[in-house]
Formats: sequence, C-alpha cells, structure tokens
Amino acid sequence: AQSVTQLGSHVSVSEGALVLLRCNYSSSVPPYLFWYVQYPNQGLQLLLKYTSAATLVKGINGFEAEFKKSETSFHLTKPSAHMSDAAEYFCAVTERNTGGFKTIFGAGTRLFVKA
Amino acid sequence: GAVVSQHPSRVICKSGTSVKIECRSLDFQATTMFWYRQFPKQSLMLMATSNEGSKATYEQGVEKDKFLINHASLTLSTLTVTSAHPEDSSFYICSAPAKDTQYFGPGTRLTVL
Repeated sequence: AQSVTQLGSHVSVSEGALVLLRCNYSSSVPPYLFWYVQYPNQGLQLLLKYTSAATLVKGINGFEAEFKKSETSFHLTKPSAHMSDAAEYFCAVTERNTGGFKTIFGAGTRLFVKA
Repeated sequence: GAVVSQHPSRVICKSGTSVKIECRSLDFQATTMFWYRQFPKQSLMLMATSNEGSKATYEQGVEKDKFLINHASLTLSTLTVTSAHPEDSSFYICSAPAKDTQYFGPGTRLTVL
C-alpha cells in the first residue's frame, strides 16, 4: 500500500533563506509523485510532478524536487524564500492499477516565511 | 494546464437541508472525478470516486446515503450533502485527472448552522 510522510508539520524560514520541505513515500510500484501548494480557502495548485522521467524536477515559482529512489524521498526545495511562499504544501503519491489510479496525500507542511 | 471549477465557493445552510456542490472540468473530459473533504489544518481525505455513467465508489466510513454523488457527463460531477448537520461543515474539494495528474477545483466551504 502506498503512503506519504511529510516530516515537520510546520517549517519556518527567513525571507531569502533556503526552503526544504521533506517528503518520503512508500509504493509497491514505480510511483508518480507530486507537490501541491494550498493558500487559505483555496484548492490545491500543482507545483511540480515526477512521472519517471528526469529525477530532478523543476516546477513553478522557483521550486524544484529531486526523486531519490534509494531514499524513497521527494523533497521540495527553493533556493530563496519569498513572503508569498507562505502556504500549506502537500506531497502526494499516485499509483496506477487495474482499478484506475488513486492519490494519497501527506499530512501537509505549513511554511512560514519571516521578514 | 487543465482547469477544474467548483460551485458554489461558499454555502451556508440550515441543519436538515440538502446542499449540492458542482465540479466541472472546463477544458478536458474526465470519466473519473474525486471528492475530498478537508478539516481545518488537516490534509485531504478522499471521500469517493465519481465514475461517469456508473455508481460512485465510496471510501470506507463514508455514508453513501449521506453524500450522494452523480457523474452525469464527462465534464460534470455533483456531490449532494443530504440532511446536513453541523458536523458536515467542512471544506469540500473535487479533482479530476488529466494525463496522470490531478487537477483540483478551488473548493467549497460548507457551513451548516
């Protein structure tokens, strides 16, 4: 069964500092991995996705994530945090099987950016 | 990217009434759509999978008669919360897949008084 673990429910960084949000997954088949961002009272916006192509994936707003199979990780990074990055971030894994595909979300990490 | 809309964005209703939430894929067709529920400061909980032309698949613990799902066309799924009670107050989000990626609607905030 697939699962997603996000380490740290809250992460606080200073503006301009490196952002690192951690995500580990378990999956019985090669997974599709995603990072989504959610602003208050809004739906989820896709930041980036890994679907078995390049292991380093670049997304929107300067974010990127690296798929490391040996570590079963898909951590999200951004070199320099901006105040507008403050939001909730969800890591997700999707498996495709005979019944279709199903997405499982991590618990989420709230990013705070200090001026 | 693919766009998914939801309507209404916010609804307040009295206890005992029913509320319908619409989810539309605007620029693509979706034979499957997903309905999630999100409590404050928590992650998304999958409620059910909506299947065009057939019955929805509900996750364990989700009441089928409480949360009625209809997938009438390739671009529209509806969730009806029947006989709503205050504990049904939540943020409901739908999604539709396109090319192995889930695209989410903006969500509907339901408040039951």
